[in-house]
Order: sequence, then C-alpha cells, then structure tokens
Amino acid sequence: EAGVAQSPRYKIIEKRQSVAFWCNPISGHATLYWYQQILGQGPKLLIQFQNNGVVDDSQLPKDRFSAERLKGVDSTLKIQPAKLEDSAVYLCASSQTRRTGEKLFFGSGTQLSVL
Amino acid sequence: LAKTTQPISMDSYEGQEVNITCSHNNIATNDYITWYQQFPSQGPRFIIQGYKTKVTNEVASLFIPADRKSSTLSLPRVSLSDTAVYYCLVGASTDSWGKLQFGAGTQVVVTP
Repeated sequence: EAGVAQSPRYKIIEKRQSVAFWCNPISGHATLYWYQQILGQGPKLLIQFQNNGVVDDSQLPKDRFSAERLKGVDSTLKIQPAKLEDSAVYLCASSQTRRTGEKLFFGSGTQLSVL
Repeated sequence: LAKTTQPISMDSYEGQEVNITCSHNNIATNDYITWYQQFPSQGPRFIIQGYKTKVTNEVASLFIPADRKSSTLSLPRVSLSDTAVYYCLVGASTDSWGKLQFGAGTQVVVTP
C-alpha cells in the first residue's frame, strides 16, 4: 500500500516570498490534515479536510496561509508571504475517517527554511 | 480534553526494556490512549492504542491501570533503531483529530 506522498522534500526561500507544498494521501482516505512541526516541538494541526471540505482551520494563519483539496484527493498548502517564523517541517497526514480512533498516516514532510 | 504529561527524555542501552509513562489525570470515560513514534526526518507513525488494561502488538505493549489516569508504553529489548520521539495522545473516538494536541513527546535515545 502506497503511503502519503509529499513534495518537495526541502525548500529554501527568502522572507516575503511564496511557497507551495503538495500532498497525495493514501487512496480512499477521506480525511486529510496539514501539520506544522517546529524544531523541538510536536506537530501542530493547521487544517483538516473531510473530502474536499474544511473541517477545522482554527489554527491556520489565514492572512498568509491557504490550503485546498479541490477534488477530495490531492491537497496543496500555500504560504504567501513567508516569514522567518514559518521555518518548520510541514507534514501531511491522512486517515479513513476524522475520528481520533483512526490511525493517522503521515508523509515524510517538507522542510521549509525561510531566510 | 485530557492534558498529557510525559518525560522530556529517556536514555537506555541496547537490549533493555524502556517504559515511558504518560499522565492524563483528567481523562474522560470515552477517551482512548494512543502512542505515536517519530524518527528524525519522518512523520509520526502509529504504534499502539488502548482503552483499558493491557494491549500488546509486535512493536510494544501498553499498560493502563484501572483508574486510567496514566498509561505506560513499554518497548521490549530496544535496539539503536528505537531511538525516536514518542508521543502520547488522549481523546475520544467521537472527537475530531483537530481537537488533539501533540505535546513535545519523549525523546528516547538508545546507545550501544
């Protein structure tokens, strides 16, 4: 079974530039998550989709971050403009349902460095 | 939601058993306890989940006392490849994952 695919693996940009991350979840998984993980901390949920609808984006900095999952499969997360504090690993995860009892399957993440 | 507390770090030697205790004093009746493992440069990976008593799989055991105010993840005979961060999460199956928070986790370092 293929896992969660993410790209790019690494990205280096200057502050005020824009960047986009792509995620392809496990086939058949209705729920997709984007997490931000700052060095030394646990992952922090940014946004959660159920199919192509947003379930929770309460921790997404909406003035600069946006995400979409138009056809209920792939998803993109965008930052525009980036700030120094956005340097982190951005993890995508998926699960069959959105219940906490379901296993989360994570991708390897995109490591973003903002200079 | 139940707040969890776990040690920041633990050191062990190869072949030893590692036990990581997570405190969750205000766990609710419907809450499950789930542990994830994260290796460097990878996303977290599900290890084990339980509700009460003991759960065992090919990777670990999870011990939950009757009052469920804590739980212990047990890694038998660890190897160097068990060096990772381990996260304890507590939440109800009816909740959305968006309500749960990964803490800082426990960094386990295994040395020869």
